[in-house]
Amino acid sequence: VQLQESGPGLVKPSETLSLTCTVSDFSIGYGYYWGWIRQPPGKGLEWIAEMFPSGGSHYNPSLESRVAISVDTSKNQFSLKLNSVTAADTAIYYCTRDWVDGTGFDYWGPGILVTVSS
Amino acid sequence: DVVLTQSPLSLPVTLGQPASISCKSSQSLVYSNGQTFLSWFQQSPGQSPRRLIYKVSNRDSGVPDRFSGSGSGTDFTLNISRVEAEDVAVYYCMQGAHWPRTFGQGTQVDIK
Repeated sequence: VQLQESGPGLVKPSETLSLTCTVSDFSIGYGYYWGWIRQPPGKGLEWIAEMFPSGGSHYNPSLESRVAISVDTSKNQFSLKLNSVTAADTAIYYCTRDWVDGTGFDYWGPGILVTVSS
Repeated sequence: DVVLTQSPLSLPVTLGQPASISCKSSQSLVYSNGQTFLSWFQQSPGQSPRRLIYKVSNRDSGVPDRFSGSGSGTDFTLNISRVEAEDVAVYYCMQGAHWPRTFGQGTQVDIK
């Protein structure tokens, strides 16, 4: 299983951050949650959201009002949108595979640094 | 949200010596099915996190057996029996029993 994030590395304040994760060697329609975790430079890990392809999603309450996550099984991709960004949203964003039963994130993408700056 | 508190936050260790990291949860991590969902991750410099341990004590494939996890309820521990140079990393605990998923603050393991 391989995951790869893609998207702009620079976003202006108040705009929308949009990222896509492409999954290889595994069908995302098969029984796992797919989601996003971020890490501000030099800091710890923050779980953002995840989604089950056939329905069902979970969001971090601290970000829920600004976040949307979607899955496209035809392209084997899933996406993150975070609106009204500020400098506090500057981070490395990782896409992940999570087990339905809470076992944890067994596959991660390499991460993409997104900087919010004008 | 479930708060995971790790200690220590910095752990200098002599090569070949053991290391131990504590993770204490603000709530029980025992799920309704009786299983306990506490995982440990290793983040080496410049790398993505890698899961080492899941459900308290189960090692992931390829993880050296010098790594072990233990604990129950709200108190958990990651042990490294003999630290090697490649173990220099930040270690995080994570809970999967409750939404939202949460991580501990991280523990930096370095060589003395």
